[in-house]
Amino acid sequence: NAGVTQTPKFQVLKTGQSMTLQCAQDMNHNSMYWYRQDPGMGLRLIYYSASEGTTDKGEVPNGYNVSRLNKREFSLRLESAAPSQTSVYFCASSETDSWSQETQYFGPGTRLLVL
Amino acid sequence: RKEVEQDPGPFNVPEGATVAFNCTYSNSASQSFFWYRQDCRKEPKLLMSVYSSGNEDGRFTAQLNRASQYISLLIRDSKLSDSATYLCAVNEVNTGFQKLVFGTGTRLLVSP
Repeated sequence: NAGVTQTPKFQVLKTGQSMTLQCAQDMNHNSMYWYRQDPGMGLRLIYYSASEGTTDKGEVPNGYNVSRLNKREFSLRLESAAPSQTSVYFCASSETDSWSQETQYFGPGTRLLVL
Repeated sequence: RKEVEQDPGPFNVPEGATVAFNCTYSNSASQSFFWYRQDCRKEPKLLMSVYSSGNEDGRFTAQLNRASQYISLLIRDSKLSDSATYLCAVNEVNTGFQKLVFGTGTRLLVSP
């Protein structure tokens, strides 16, 4: 049981290049999320998917697109990377516990540098 | 006012000390609360959920104070390995789906 996995671990892009960050979970969770984490800003939600086939914008969606390919996989795409998108990106998935709380579990992150 | 606020620290404590962090939240209708631990250059990992009655897990105790709108994390008998950043998370209400809002974290440094 690998939990939440992300690829790549590190990436350097030039401004204007595109790339897709991959995320997969093997916990049979319905909900998945993409966050970015920047110094002093904390974790900010980019997009989320409440269930297979649905996606919604979070707090900072501009410049990103997502695809919920199936229940396991949720990808994040940068169509034209900008230096402001330099960040650490975390994918997460969640389950509802016995207290009806959505408990989120995170992947190891992708460190992205846009030059 | 930010939805979720934490003192960034760092809190510098000696091994064996007791240390407590608070996290305030702005939305009185919030229902779910969590503490996560994040080590340097690693992902956040769930430390504990915070229930209305409070909960304890070994040296860690989490409490919820709805009247004053904050949650707390108490660490007893601090270990060097407790050095990390502690993030609180609160669910965002008024949406059809439960999303979490995270604080920016409180850094703890435990020294020998």
